[in-house]
Amino acid sequence: DGGITQSPKYLFRKEGQNVTLSCEQNLNHDAMYWYRQDPGQGLRLIYYSQIVNDFQKGDIAEGYSVSREKKESFPLTVTSAQKNPTAFYLCASSLQGNYGYTFGSGTRLTVV
Amino acid sequence: QQQVKQSPQSLIVQKGGIPIINCAYENTAFDYFPWYQQFPGKGPALLIAIRPDVSEKKEGRFTISFNKSAKQFSLHIMDSQPGDSATYFCAASIRGSRLTFGEGTQLTVNP
Repeated sequence: DGGITQSPKYLFRKEGQNVTLSCEQNLNHDAMYWYRQDPGQGLRLIYYSQIVNDFQKGDIAEGYSVSREKKESFPLTVTSAQKNPTAFYLCASSLQGNYGYTFGSGTRLTVV
Repeated sequence: QQQVKQSPQSLIVQKGGIPIINCAYENTAFDYFPWYQQFPGKGPALLIAIRPDVSEKKEGRFTISFNKSAKQFSLHIMDSQPGDSATYFCAASIRGSRLTFGEGTQLTVNP
């Protein structure tokens, strides 16, 4: 079955540590996106990539980094520079053109 | 100009009622308007989408109404059920660019 997989589902981080969230898709989608969702809040775009080896900052990129070395993969690193990283992180992918996004099931990150 | 404003923030209806969620936009270049449904702890899922050349689209109990002149679109859920309780997001994009999402509406359908 085609889909988008995020791992892990839950992640705990100590203050000062970097952590990397995985996002893999087998839908042959060109574009991939990372969103942050806080309780009762909407979706805020962190980074997006429309092609391999290229990505752009979204609205809240500070304290985050990404890479896009393969079409299927778009990992997100939450660095120690992100002061309030506790949130629900969602990865999505889409075909180029006016098509909807397919979202993963999310990673809940908690700083302990 | 890239914003999509969604209302209400939360909505409670009785089973069988018809909740209506509204979205408004400014940028007339938007040409794709999807709605997403999100259950707690899950990622959003595409529910239904419309393009500005039609005024209404139905899929099952879900209907999008689109008013191009008013720059508004809305989601109607006919015969709502407790299982429809979720957060709903509207969105818009221009020629396949990244989606701009509304703030979300938390819908509760009471039995």
